[in-house]
Amino acid sequence: EPEVTQTPSHQVTQMGQEVILRCVPISNHLYFYWYRQILGQKVEFLVSFYNNEISEKSEIFDDQFSVERPDGSNFTLKIRSTKLEDSAMYFCASSGGGRNYGYTFGSGTRLTVV
Amino acid sequence: QQPVQSPQAVILREGEDAVINCSSSKALYSVHWYRQKHGEAPVFLMILLKGGEQKGHEKISASFNEKKQQSSLYLTASQLSYSGTYFCGTIQTGANNLFFGTGTRLTVIP
Repeated sequence: EPEVTQTPSHQVTQMGQEVILRCVPISNHLYFYWYRQILGQKVEFLVSFYNNEISEKSEIFDDQFSVERPDGSNFTLKIRSTKLEDSAMYFCASSGGGRNYGYTFGSGTRLTVV
Repeated sequence: QQPVQSPQAVILREGEDAVINCSSSKALYSVHWYRQKHGEAPVFLMILLKGGEQKGHEKISASFNEKKQQSSLYLTASQLSYSGTYFCGTIQTGANNLFFGTGTRLTVIP
């Protein structure tokens, strides 16, 4: 069964450093998303991406965040200057048809900011 | 924008049934249901689109009442493998993005 792949599985970084979280969505999917989940809490929407541009973003997705699809397969989330409160599990998801279809999530990247 | 789920947590014995509710204050286009096991990614269970339908397979099914902006997930004859946190996700009418509910932790014990 096709899957969404995320790397790394765990990243520890110092406050103020930049991190890049990587995702390989399912190959024929067109809609991509980033969500985050602070330990044991709700899953929060960050950003959606379609046709090589951001479709929507939440208020969490401020200027320190950016997304890119640098080639035909990768989808990245960059956090420019990490803060302690950015510590969370970050999930990438993709969908074949946007809002009429379910999302397939990757296994996540646990980001720890120290 | 975040839908509210109830109950927050439930403990079942194997074979018992459970209902998880999801409620939104906004008009909805669709409702998704996902299950997340500890330390893993959410896994898609089903989607219900505007039109007031019920769907599912075997022992897990769901309904969507668009007039009440509510959905319910029904788990019958629960198995140990059903344990996890269940999230509904809603897409509002006129919008495109999925917002997850507050989650319901389900524990099935022998």
